[in-house]
Amino acid sequence: EAGVTQFPSHSVIEKGQTVTLRCDPISGHDNLYWYRRVMGKEIKFLLHFVKESKQDESGMPNNRFLAERTGGTYSTLKVQPAELEDSGVYFCASSPGTGRAQHFGDGTRLSIL
Amino acid sequence: GQQLNQSPQSMFIQEGEDVSMNCTSSSIFNTWLWYKQDPGEGPVLLIALYKAGELTSNGRLTAQFGITRKDSFLNISASIPSDVGIYFCAGQSTSGTYKYIFGTGTRLKVLA
Repeated sequence: EAGVTQFPSHSVIEKGQTVTLRCDPISGHDNLYWYRRVMGKEIKFLLHFVKESKQDESGMPNNRFLAERTGGTYSTLKVQPAELEDSGVYFCASSPGTGRAQHFGDGTRLSIL
Repeated sequence: GQQLNQSPQSMFIQEGEDVSMNCTSSSIFNTWLWYKQDPGEGPVLLIALYKAGELTSNGRLTAQFGITRKDSFLNISASIPSDVGIYFCAGQSTSGTYKYIFGTGTRLKVLA
């Protein structure tokens, strides 16, 4: 069974540009989560999808971040326009049920110059 | 909001020693998870705890869900060099959503 996959693994862009991150959850997992880890800090929750619906987006930093999960399969997280403080590692996780353990992808390392 | 305090922040140990780390909070949690992260990779699930008081083992790893639901510990017995990495605890919020709150991590270094 394939795990959670994320693309790209690294992205380096300039301030003001747009970047789109993609996450493919484990097949059959209705729950998909986005997290972010800024250097030296803890992993912080961004948002949670159940199928294609946003269950909880309380962790989204601001309206420059847009997450979608059309069709309830893969998800994208777009940052537009990117700012310096957006740098960090963005993780995606999925789980078969809302109360079950989450399995993480390897993350996308985003650097804003 | 709910917060987790994870300790120690880092530790050096000799190969063969036992290791213990814990997470505490002033809030209660529904579920506790323990992850390990190696450089360049995502967190890998080690142990999941779903009930207060639950004690679960996975090889040389043992974790417990505190009876008060406010804490959890992870023990590693007879550490080996490949145990090196960052260990994270995560507690599931009781706020009505299903998000997890993560600890700041324990960086483990094993001296051969």
